[in-house]
Amino acid sequence: EIVLTQSPGTLSLSPGERATLSCRASQTVTLLAWYQQKPGQAPRLLIYGASTRAAGIPDRFSGSGSGTEFTLTISRLEPEDYAVYYCHQHGRSPPFGGGTKVEIK
Amino acid sequence: EVQLVQSGGGLVQPGGSLRLSCAASGFTLSSYWMYWVRQVPGKGLVWVSYINNDGGDTKYADSVKGRFTISRDNARDTLYLQMSDLRAEDMGVYYCSRGAFFHALDVWGQGTTVTVSS
Repeated sequence: EIVLTQSPGTLSLSPGERATLSCRASQTVTLLAWYQQKPGQAPRLLIYGASTRAAGIPDRFSGSGSGTEFTLTISRLEPEDYAVYYCHQHGRSPPFGGGTKVEIK
Repeated sequence: EVQLVQSGGGLVQPGGSLRLSCAASGFTLSSYWMYWVRQVPGKGLVWVSYINNDGGDTKYADSVKGRFTISRDNARDTLYLQMSDLRAEDMGVYYCSRGAFFHALDVWGQGTTVTVSS
């Protein structure tokens, strides 16, 4: 069973700064997605297939990586970007990572 | 508007049963695999179950196998999760979700809370 490990657990950054979130898989992953979740809300798909932005997602969000190492980058943090982010091996038995919280510094 | 509207959930005693429903609108349910995902408040997301387009292929997390049953009524555009023999560790917010783009979860229900307590 694939395990996804996200780091860091919490990222404290100021608006306008660049955020780099990591997701490491215990085995090779071919399909990797990223979700954003705000308190009291359902998750929102940001990225699928490691690097394809979902519909309506701003281009400040980008995904990269392959194999076992993946990254979500937010180029310049906006106030609405402070949230928890989850990576996810999308497929038939999809494990999720533990999440990274991006908080205001 | 494409959306999933959930119902069901609530408070149930240990060993009890609940049925969650997830009604699709704005799209044809039969075109998509569907998923249930659980989240304990303050914790991460955990996959619970999936079902393929016609209901012929289902899978469950080990923790719910034999106790939960996922099903769908494509004619009614509705997904279900029948939960039985409920335990404290089943508590949380349950989300239904649509699998698209090789099963990335692109549409989510609003979530429904399951509480197991005597």
